[in-house]
Amino acid sequence: TQLLEQSPQFLSIQEGENLTVYCNSSSVFSSLQWYRQEPGEGPVLLVTVVTGGEVKKLKRLTFQFGDARKDSSLHITAAQPGDTGLYLCLFIGSARQLTFGSGTQLTVLP
Amino acid sequence: EAGVAQSPRYKIIEKRQSVAFWCNPISGHATLYWYQQILGQGPKLLIQFQNNGVVDDSQLPKDRFSAERLKGVDSTLKIQPAKLEDSAVYLCASSLALFNTEAFFGQGTRLTVV
Repeated sequence: TQLLEQSPQFLSIQEGENLTVYCNSSSVFSSLQWYRQEPGEGPVLLVTVVTGGEVKKLKRLTFQFGDARKDSSLHITAAQPGDTGLYLCLFIGSARQLTFGSGTQLTVLP
Repeated sequence: EAGVAQSPRYKIIEKRQSVAFWCNPISGHATLYWYQQILGQGPKLLIQFQNNGVVDDSQLPKDRFSAERLKGVDSTLKIQPAKLEDSAVYLCASSLALFNTEAFFGQGTRLTVV
């Protein structure tokens, strides 16, 4: 059974600051996804990373997949209040096991 | 395009009662998922269907939880009897195919067991 750790659990920052969220697994990913969830809503897919070392950018969000395919990070530049939400990583294993991380609750204060 | 529809949005029941949740996936999506999300945690996969067949139900507490997708379209998840620790949001999601990994989630059903 793979262990999936996401950190930090909570993050409260001022508008304009930068932040990084981490997702680490004890097993190798087949692929990994990042989702954002707002209160009362289901998670919404932000990105899928498949290749070790892959970097993807989505406006102010940068996603990185570790070379060993066991870790990933999400970096937000110049955070805005609209970025507030629960950020979740989803591990997709080689046998299509689907495991979400515990989430990072981000609050961006104006 | 209509999204994943779930009902009810909220449900409060007493322990040992039964409850059922309904999900209508996006039209044409073959794969359907049910997740349980306890407050402060990430969603946990309960069961995954491909059309009307079960792909993965390894984390479904089968002594009290059941799910079906008889015609390969909409699905129901049932809990009988409910326990206090079943209080959670139950999320349904769907994707085009088993190996198409973009899943679309419904708004969820918030269950409170008292």
